[in-house]
Amino acid sequence: QKEVEQNSGPLSVPEGAIASLNCTYSDRGSQSFFWYRQYSGKSPELIMFIYSNGDKEDGRFTAQLNKASQYVSLLIRDSQPSDSATYLCAVTDSNYQLIWGAGTKLIIKP
Amino acid sequence: DGGITQSPKYLFRKEGQNVTLSCEQNLNHDAMYWYRQDPGQGLRLIYYSQIVNDFQKGDIAEGYSVSREKKESFPLTVTSAQKNPTAFYLCASRPSPRGQETQYFGPGTRLLVL
Repeated sequence: QKEVEQNSGPLSVPEGAIASLNCTYSDRGSQSFFWYRQYSGKSPELIMFIYSNGDKEDGRFTAQLNKASQYVSLLIRDSQPSDSATYLCAVTDSNYQLIWGAGTKLIIKP
Repeated sequence: DGGITQSPKYLFRKEGQNVTLSCEQNLNHDAMYWYRQDPGQGLRLIYYSQIVNDFQKGDIAEGYSVSREKKESFPLTVTSAQKNPTAFYLCASRPSPRGQETQYFGPGTRLLVL
Protein backbone atom coordinates (compact mmCIF):
# COMPACT_ATOMS: atom_id res chain seq x y z
CA GLN A 1 0.00 0.00 0.00
CA LYS A 2 1.57 3.23 -1.16
CA GLU A 3 1.27 5.92 1.50
CA VAL A 4 1.83 9.59 2.08
CA GLU A 5 1.99 10.58 5.75
CA GLN A 6 1.43 13.98 7.29
CA ASN A 7 0.98 15.08 10.89
CA SER A 8 -2.67 16.11 11.16
CA GLY A 9 -1.90 18.97 13.56
CA PRO A 10 -3.06 21.52 14.32
CA LEU A 11 0.31 23.19 14.06
CA SER A 12 0.20 26.55 15.79
CA VAL A 13 2.78 29.18 14.76
CA PRO A 14 3.09 32.83 15.84
CA GLU A 15 2.64 35.47 13.17
CA GLY A 16 5.93 36.36 11.54
CA ALA A 17 7.59 33.04 12.39
CA ILE A 18 8.54 30.17 10.05
CA ALA A 19 5.98 27.40 9.66
CA SER A 20 7.44 23.99 8.79
CA LEU A 21 5.20 21.29 7.34
CA ASN A 22 6.43 17.78 6.73
CA CYS A 23 5.45 14.84 4.56
CA THR A 24 6.90 11.35 4.14
CA TYR A 25 6.13 8.89 1.36
CA SER A 26 6.58 5.16 0.93
CA ASP A 27 7.13 4.66 -2.82
CA ARG A 28 10.83 5.06 -3.70
CA GLY A 29 9.83 5.41 -7.35
CA SER A 30 7.96 8.66 -6.70
CA GLN A 31 8.86 11.38 -9.18
CA SER A 32 6.82 14.51 -8.48
CA PHE A 33 5.82 16.23 -5.26
CA PHE A 34 3.16 18.84 -4.69
CA TRP A 35 1.85 21.05 -1.90
CA TYR A 36 -1.72 22.29 -1.91
CA ARG A 37 -3.40 24.76 0.40
CA GLN A 38 -7.06 24.27 1.32
CA TYR A 39 -9.04 26.92 3.14
CA SER A 40 -12.05 25.78 5.14
CA GLY A 41 -14.98 25.06 2.83
CA LYS A 42 -12.92 25.60 -0.32
CA SER A 43 -11.18 23.34 -2.81
CA PRO A 44 -7.42 22.66 -2.72
CA GLU A 45 -5.16 24.99 -4.70
CA LEU A 46 -1.66 24.16 -5.85
CA ILE A 47 1.02 26.33 -4.23
CA MET A 48 4.30 24.50 -4.86
CA PHE A 49 5.75 21.62 -6.81
CA ILE A 50 9.21 20.09 -6.77
CA TYR A 51 10.78 17.34 -8.86
CA SER A 52 14.47 17.32 -7.88
CA ASN A 53 16.35 16.93 -4.63
CA GLY A 54 17.08 20.18 -2.83
CA ASP A 55 15.20 23.39 -2.24
CA LYS A 56 12.81 25.34 -4.43
CA GLU A 57 11.77 28.84 -3.41
CA ASP A 58 8.74 30.87 -4.49
CA GLY A 59 8.18 34.04 -2.54
CA ARG A 60 7.63 33.17 1.12
CA PHE A 61 7.34 29.45 0.31
CA THR A 62 10.19 26.94 0.09
CA ALA A 63 9.73 23.29 -0.80
CA GLN A 64 12.48 20.88 0.25
CA LEU A 65 12.90 17.38 -1.17
CA ASN A 66 15.11 14.58 0.08
CA LYS A 67 14.50 11.46 -2.00
CA ALA A 68 17.00 9.35 -0.04
CA SER A 69 15.00 9.95 3.15
CA GLN A 70 11.65 9.96 1.26
CA TYR A 71 10.79 13.27 2.80
CA VAL A 72 9.35 16.51 1.44
CA SER A 73 8.69 19.64 3.43
CA LEU A 74 7.15 23.07 2.99
CA LEU A 75 8.50 26.12 4.80
CA ILE A 76 6.45 29.30 5.05
CA ARG A 77 8.48 32.33 6.07
CA ASP A 78 7.01 35.41 7.75
CA SER A 79 3.77 33.53 8.44
CA GLN A 80 0.59 35.55 8.12
CA PRO A 81 -2.89 34.86 9.53
CA SER A 82 -4.02 34.36 5.91
CA ASP A 83 -1.71 31.30 5.78
CA SER A 84 -4.02 29.53 8.24
CA ALA A 85 -5.36 26.58 6.27
CA THR A 86 -4.93 22.85 5.78
CA TYR A 87 -1.88 21.91 3.69
CA LEU A 88 -2.09 18.75 1.60
CA CYS A 89 0.95 16.89 0.34
CA ALA A 90 0.56 14.87 -2.89
CA VAL A 91 3.09 12.57 -4.53
CA THR A 92 3.07 10.78 -7.87
CA ASP A 93 3.96 7.13 -7.48
CA SER A 94 6.03 5.04 -9.88
CA ASN A 95 2.94 4.75 -12.14
CA TYR A 96 2.42 8.54 -12.08
CA GLN A 97 -0.76 8.19 -10.02
CA LEU A 98 -1.26 10.87 -7.38
CA ILE A 99 -1.25 9.69 -3.77
CA TRP A 100 -2.60 12.16 -1.19
CA GLY A 101 -1.69 12.82 2.39
CA ALA A 102 -4.51 13.59 4.83
CA GLY A 103 -3.29 17.15 5.41
CA THR A 104 -1.85 19.27 8.22
CA LYS A 105 -3.95 22.03 9.74
CA LEU A 106 -1.88 25.19 10.23
CA ILE A 107 -2.97 27.99 12.55
CA ILE A 108 -1.10 31.30 12.51
CA LYS A 109 -1.67 33.19 15.76
CA PRO A 110 -1.62 37.03 15.57
CA ASP B 1 -11.59 31.77 -19.04
CA GLY B 2 -10.09 28.31 -18.61
CA GLY B 3 -10.98 26.18 -15.66
CA ILE B 4 -13.08 23.54 -14.00
CA THR B 5 -16.66 24.21 -13.05
CA GLN B 6 -18.86 22.20 -10.73
CA SER B 7 -22.55 22.57 -10.18
CA PRO B 8 -24.52 22.98 -8.11
CA LYS B 9 -22.59 24.49 -5.22
CA TYR B 10 -25.03 22.92 -2.75
CA LEU B 11 -27.24 19.89 -3.36
CA PHE B 12 -29.90 18.36 -1.16
CA ARG B 13 -30.85 14.72 -1.48
CA LYS B 14 -33.92 12.99 -0.17
CA GLU B 15 -33.91 9.40 1.01
CA GLY B 16 -33.91 6.94 -1.90
CA GLN B 17 -33.13 9.62 -4.48
CA ASN B 18 -30.34 9.56 -7.07
CA VAL B 19 -28.61 12.89 -7.65
CA THR B 20 -26.08 13.93 -10.28
CA LEU B 21 -23.18 16.32 -9.73
CA SER B 22 -21.83 18.12 -12.76
CA CYS B 23 -18.16 18.65 -13.61
CA GLU B 24 -17.00 20.45 -16.76
CA GLN B 25 -13.50 21.50 -17.83
CA ASN B 26 -12.29 23.55 -20.80
CA LEU B 27 -8.58 22.91 -20.19
CA ASN B 28 -8.38 20.12 -22.77
CA HIS B 29 -7.23 17.76 -20.02
CA ASP B 30 -7.36 14.02 -20.69
CA ALA B 31 -7.80 12.82 -17.12
CA MET B 32 -10.60 13.64 -14.69
CA TYR B 33 -11.20 12.60 -11.09
CA TRP B 34 -13.89 12.61 -8.41
CA TYR B 35 -13.02 12.82 -4.72
CA ARG B 36 -15.05 12.81 -1.57
CA GLN B 37 -13.94 14.79 1.48
CA ASP B 38 -15.56 14.38 4.89
CA PRO B 39 -15.15 17.08 7.58
CA GLY B 40 -11.57 17.19 8.89
CA GLN B 41 -10.51 14.36 6.60
CA GLY B 42 -8.37 13.97 3.52
CA LEU B 43 -9.37 13.23 -0.06
CA ARG B 44 -10.75 9.83 -1.00
CA LEU B 45 -10.86 8.82 -4.67
CA ILE B 46 -14.26 7.73 -5.96
CA TYR B 47 -13.73 7.31 -9.72
CA TYR B 48 -11.31 8.49 -12.34
CA SER B 49 -11.16 8.61 -16.11
CA GLN B 50 -7.98 8.68 -18.16
CA ILE B 51 -9.66 9.01 -21.53
CA VAL B 52 -13.09 9.48 -23.07
CA ASN B 53 -15.42 6.48 -22.76
CA ASP B 54 -13.24 4.87 -20.11
CA PHE B 55 -13.27 5.14 -16.32
CA GLN B 56 -11.94 3.22 -13.32
CA LYS B 57 -13.13 2.68 -9.77
CA GLY B 58 -11.23 4.40 -7.00
CA ASP B 59 -11.08 3.44 -3.35
CA ILE B 60 -14.74 4.18 -2.47
CA ALA B 61 -16.77 3.61 -5.66
CA GLU B 62 -19.68 1.74 -4.07
CA GLY B 63 -22.92 3.72 -4.33
CA TYR B 64 -21.58 6.00 -7.06
CA SER B 65 -21.57 5.93 -10.86
CA VAL B 66 -19.94 8.05 -13.57
CA SER B 67 -19.82 8.51 -17.32
CA ARG B 68 -17.29 10.07 -19.67
CA GLU B 69 -19.00 10.58 -23.01
CA LYS B 70 -17.18 13.84 -23.74
CA LYS B 71 -13.67 14.94 -22.92
CA GLU B 72 -14.98 18.06 -21.16
CA SER B 73 -17.53 16.40 -18.92
CA PHE B 74 -17.38 13.86 -16.08
CA PRO B 75 -20.67 13.76 -14.14
CA LEU B 76 -20.99 11.83 -10.89
CA THR B 77 -24.25 10.19 -9.82
CA VAL B 78 -24.76 9.49 -6.13
CA THR B 79 -27.21 6.62 -6.03
CA SER B 80 -29.63 5.57 -3.32
CA ALA B 81 -27.21 2.75 -2.51
CA GLN B 82 -24.84 5.30 -0.98
CA LYS B 83 -26.18 5.38 2.57
CA ASN B 84 -24.01 8.18 3.91
CA PRO B 85 -23.59 10.65 1.05
CA THR B 86 -23.22 13.86 3.08
CA ALA B 87 -19.79 15.22 2.12
CA PHE B 88 -17.87 17.74 0.03
CA TYR B 89 -17.37 16.43 -3.51
CA LEU B 90 -14.40 17.61 -5.52
CA CYS B 91 -13.79 17.17 -9.23
CA ALA B 92 -10.26 17.49 -10.58
CA SER B 93 -8.57 17.27 -13.95
CA ARG B 94 -5.04 16.65 -15.12
CA PRO B 95 -3.41 17.21 -18.52
CA SER B 96 -2.33 13.60 -18.82
CA PRO B 97 -2.98 10.55 -16.61
CA ARG B 98 0.72 9.71 -16.74
CA GLY B 99 3.13 12.57 -16.38
CA GLN B 100 4.72 14.99 -14.00
CA GLU B 101 1.88 17.49 -13.99
CA THR B 102 -0.59 17.49 -11.16
CA GLN B 103 -4.35 17.83 -10.74
CA TYR B 104 -6.37 21.02 -10.63
CA PHE B 105 -9.63 21.25 -8.74
CA GLY B 106 -13.06 22.67 -9.30
CA PRO B 107 -14.80 24.64 -6.53
CA GLY B 108 -16.65 21.61 -5.17
CA THR B 109 -20.23 20.59 -4.46
CA ARG B 110 -21.53 20.15 -0.92
CA LEU B 111 -24.12 17.38 -0.72
CA LEU B 112 -26.53 17.26 2.19
CA VAL B 113 -29.22 14.73 3.00
CA LEU B 114 -32.69 15.95 3.96
